[in-house]
Amino acid sequence: AQSVTQLDSQVPVFEEAPVELRCNYSSSVSVYLFWYVQYPNQGLQLLLKYLSGSTLVKGINGFEAEFNKSQTSFHLRKPSVHISDTAEYFCAVSYTGGFKTIFGAGTRLFVKA
Amino acid sequence: GAVVSQHPSWVICKSGTSVKIECRSLDFQATTMFWYRQFPKQSLMLMATSNEGSKATYEQGVEKDKFLINHASLTLSTLTVTSAHPEDSSFYICSARDSGLTYEQYFGPGTRLTVT
Repeated sequence: AQSVTQLDSQVPVFEEAPVELRCNYSSSVSVYLFWYVQYPNQGLQLLLKYLSGSTLVKGINGFEAEFNKSQTSFHLRKPSVHISDTAEYFCAVSYTGGFKTIFGAGTRLFVKA
Repeated sequence: GAVVSQHPSWVICKSGTSVKIECRSLDFQATTMFWYRQFPKQSLMLMATSNEGSKATYEQGVEKDKFLINHASLTLSTLTVTSAHPEDSSFYICSARDSGLTYEQYFGPGTRLTVT
């Protein structure tokens, strides 16, 4: 079965420190990969996406992610976080032969002063 | 970028009544829209896929008679929660799919439903 695993449910980090949010997926076919951010009581905002081409993808708000096909991973990184980055982050995958998007369980990033 | 709106943003209704939630794509046409449900501190659960001009496709375990979906035009899909009960209280989010090849979805801001 196709699935997305976000390895950390919560990630506390101090302001200006680097952070990595991990995401692994299961697939035997080509995929499109996404990271979304959700602030309280709001919908999802796209941070970045991987469709094809360069495996290092840069997104909004200083975030980037690297697609690693051999490890079936798409980890999200930011070199220096801000208090305002505190939110829920979802990794998602769409399969090129399919139609639906599958979401991970989410990672709560909590940035401390 | 593409914008999806939802109305209302929050609604409180009494048990046994029905409530309709609208999802609109404002600056693009969406042949496919998705309805999700999200419980507190949990991920999005796909409820159904809404296709313009045809019946919605419901995920396993979702009651189609309780959650009525209508996708009457290329810019509007509605979700009606019929005979609502307190356990239907949740955050409902819709998304509209880019008709191109990116498989990207654009999400609405969500609707908070509270059934008393």
